[in-house]
Amino acid sequence: GNSVTQMEGPVTLSEEAFLTINCTYTATGYPSLFWYVQYPGEGLQLLLKATKADDKGSNKGFEATYRKETTSFHLEKGSVQVSDSAVYFCALSDAARGGSYIPTFGRGTSLIVHP
Amino acid sequence: DAGVIQSPRHEVTEMGQEVTLRCKPISGHDYLFWYRQTMMRGLELLIYFNNNVPIDDSGMPEDRFSAKMPNASFSTLKIQPSEPRDSAVYFCASSSGTGTSGANVLTFGAGSRLTVL
Repeated sequence: GNSVTQMEGPVTLSEEAFLTINCTYTATGYPSLFWYVQYPGEGLQLLLKATKADDKGSNKGFEATYRKETTSFHLEKGSVQVSDSAVYFCALSDAARGGSYIPTFGRGTSLIVHP
Repeated sequence: DAGVIQSPRHEVTEMGQEVTLRCKPISGHDYLFWYRQTMMRGLELLIYFNNNVPIDDSGMPEDRFSAKMPNASFSTLKIQPSEPRDSAVYFCASSSGTGTSGANVLTFGAGSRLTVL
């Protein structure tokens, strides 16, 4: 079946540090890949996505590249801010799941950025 | 659009009481999902609907949980009777389905935080 594995958190960084949150996946078909972000007290919201191999999704300074050869979709940001403190979820949706594209989420990685 | 609307935002109740959580999806979205989030288990899919029809309820933990979607603009998740272990944040999400190449993007509500004493 489909699965998403994220690095355990929390990840604690100082402001302006470089961020990497690792995500690997297992899927039977050709999935689309996503990063969602959850700010404190809010629901998840889409941060970026990539729909095919070698695609790069980007938004708000965050980037992730769909690597089919390593089945990975690592999230990166060159310089984090305190306001980036949140929980980040990697997810995939895969047509092989009955054609209904129901997403599979990772466990989430908490990011804490100190001033 | 105001997004996915959930109510109540917070609910505190006593064990054995009935709890009803409500959700209004984004207009035009034909998929609706109910998730539960806890520290221990993370984000769990409870049930999802397509065109108001329940498709997969295998994530519903037990018979105390039920969900309905009487029309395209309203869904409820009911717990009867509630137990302390049901304490969690419950999220509703909606989507427009297949999108492009399986890129099914979900829009989440702000969640309903349930505390069962």
